[in-house]
Amino acid sequence: QVTLKESGPGILQPSQTLSLTCTFSGFSLSTYGMGVGWIRQPSGKGLEWLANIWWDDDKYYNPSLKNRLTISKDTSNNQAFLKITNVDTADTATYYCARGSAFDYWGQGVMVTVSS
Amino acid sequence: DIQMTQSPASLSASLGETVTIECLASEDIYSNLAWYQQKPGKSPQLLIYDASSLQDGVPSRFSGSESGTQYSLEINSLQSEDAATYFCQQHHDYPTFGAGTKLELK
Repeated sequence: QVTLKESGPGILQPSQTLSLTCTFSGFSLSTYGMGVGWIRQPSGKGLEWLANIWWDDDKYYNPSLKNRLTISKDTSNNQAFLKITNVDTADTATYYCARGSAFDYWGQGVMVTVSS
Repeated sequence: DIQMTQSPASLSASLGETVTIECLASEDIYSNLAWYQQKPGKSPQLLIYDASSLQDGVPSRFSGSESGTQYSLEINSLQSEDAATYFCQQHHDYPTFGAGTKLELK
């Protein structure tokens, strides 16, 4: 059974760094072809892909946010991470992690609010 | 980047009807297209991958097709539980999503 679950700070202030963790089970990021992506969704709006990391440690970023994003993984503990630097109110959203690139399993999402 | 133009933005249909949602890719995405269903307060769920392959556990009334760079999601025999927002997503290049279609049941 594949599950993913996101965790994060909930609320942070502008200019801070957002650190998100995706803890998953039912698959391994050391397995050929496996990957985890991060996607966000502001309340009432659409979906925006942020980044993906793959079993071979290949990393891909949304070009519009690339300078602010860092994705990484801890294969031993079945976790993937995303950091977003210099956040502002536009980064307020629900953040999801999901498996693959046609995302077949999603976490429940974690709400992040950026507010002073 | 590849743009996905999704239409309509919203539609209203009756139980038992058939509806079609479309996504137009700005360039060839070689069938690397997925469809998702999202209900309020929930995560998106994968319905269709590779443009026309039905994800395990998804009812067969959902189907996907393609014609050139135009991709379609058809829902036959609408059920009350199909009321949701539907998104397309290409993953030929870095992933991009359509803006979504909100389906309301009359």
